[in-house]
Amino acid sequence: QKEVEQNSGPLSVPEGAIASLNCTYSDRVSQSFFWYRQYSGKSPELIMSIYSNGDKEDGRFTAQLNKASQYVSLLIRDSQPSDSATYLCAVDYGGSQGNLIFGKGTKLSVKP
Amino acid sequence: DGGITQSPKYLFRKEGQNVTLSCEQNLNHDAMYWYRQDPGQGLRLIYYSQIVNDFQKGDIAEGYSVSREKKESFPLTVTSAQKNPTAFYLCASRSLAGFEQFFGPGTRLTVL
Repeated sequence: QKEVEQNSGPLSVPEGAIASLNCTYSDRVSQSFFWYRQYSGKSPELIMSIYSNGDKEDGRFTAQLNKASQYVSLLIRDSQPSDSATYLCAVDYGGSQGNLIFGKGTKLSVKP
Repeated sequence: DGGITQSPKYLFRKEGQNVTLSCEQNLNHDAMYWYRQDPGQGLRLIYYSQIVNDFQKGDIAEGYSVSREKKESFPLTVTSAQKNPTAFYLCASRSLAGFEQFFGPGTRLTVL
């Protein structure tokens, strides 16, 4: 059974701090990893994708991937109240179909 | 504007009725997906299609049906056989050149 695990939270950080969101996955053949942001009542929005070990930075967001440990994380620097949302980790099934497995999400709350 | 549209935004169904949710995309994506999201749950895959006139069952296909007569359109029918259809339904699409999936705004279905 392929699984993606996330801490459900809520994770509460003060404005301006670094928020760290973590995700583990069960299938070693997975090669593609994604972070989606979902505001309450809205659909998920893709914010980061990462395919290689190491860090990938995009603005205030940094995705980190460690395939040996089957671990992917998202760091949000200078957190803003507008970052308050649920963050979904998604991992590919490992086949050519391109299907993704989603974690249940971590709810982030950034306090002013 | 390129994107994915879903209609209606809200849908109310009486028990025993079939309803059809619309999903249209003008991104020229080959693959399309239907997910269901329940409170506190991750996204669960209902059906997916990679080419016109072909589709496959996902993890929770029972009580649902789809068609893919055009590349741009992937409607989902929630049949009376679906025992607990109240949920947030999300349509997504993907180019076969990559693994990123992009979501429509969703349809919230409530059974009365």
